[in-house]
Amino acid sequence: EAQVTQNPRYLITVTGKKLTVTCSQNMNHEYMSWYRQDPGLGLRQIYYSMNVEVTDKGDVPEGYKVSRKEKRNFPLILESPSPNQTSLYFCASRQGAGEQFFGPGTRLTVL
Amino acid sequence: GESVGLHLPTLSVQEGDNSIINCAYSNSASDYFIWYKQESGKGPQFIIDIRSNMDKRQGQRVTVLLNKTVKHLSLQIAATQPGDSAVYFCAETVLGNTGFQKLVFGTGTRLLVSP
Repeated sequence: EAQVTQNPRYLITVTGKKLTVTCSQNMNHEYMSWYRQDPGLGLRQIYYSMNVEVTDKGDVPEGYKVSRKEKRNFPLILESPSPNQTSLYFCASRQGAGEQFFGPGTRLTVL
Repeated sequence: GESVGLHLPTLSVQEGDNSIINCAYSNSASDYFIWYKQESGKGPQFIIDIRSNMDKRQGQRVTVLLNKTVKHLSLQIAATQPGDSAVYFCAETVLGNTGFQKLVFGTGTRLLVSP
């Protein structure tokens, strides 16, 4: 089944404790991205990757890092999480200008 | 700046009615538009898309209309069912700083369908 998977689905952590949210897709898509979703603000892009080892900032990159060492994986790294990063995070992938597939989401709470 | 917005944050309809969800976009250079449905606890799911060289596209029970003159996009759902209850997002593709097209999402409209 073609899908985007994220782990963990739920995470509660404390300020300053480094964390990684994993994302994996099995569709051999070149383009992957991370979004955060906050009430009243919709989906905002954090980072995106056009292919292996090619990443760039989205609209709200501050406080986040990503890496793309393999085509299927695109982890999101929070080196020092803060409460304002409490949000619902979605990973997505697509091939070219085709349909974008979203993962199930990761709900992060930073205390 | 770029923006994609929605006229109605919440739309309540009766089962069997037709629903219309509207969206305004600001980037006249956008050439590809998508509607997504997001059910509670799930990621957004593609519904239908339309390119700027078209003004109407139909799917199963859904129709997207594009009016480039006024930069307006709408999603029509025929014979709305309780399973259609969700948040609907429109999105447009814009050219990013690196020359790669990215999606810009609206803030969403919640559709509530009563039996």
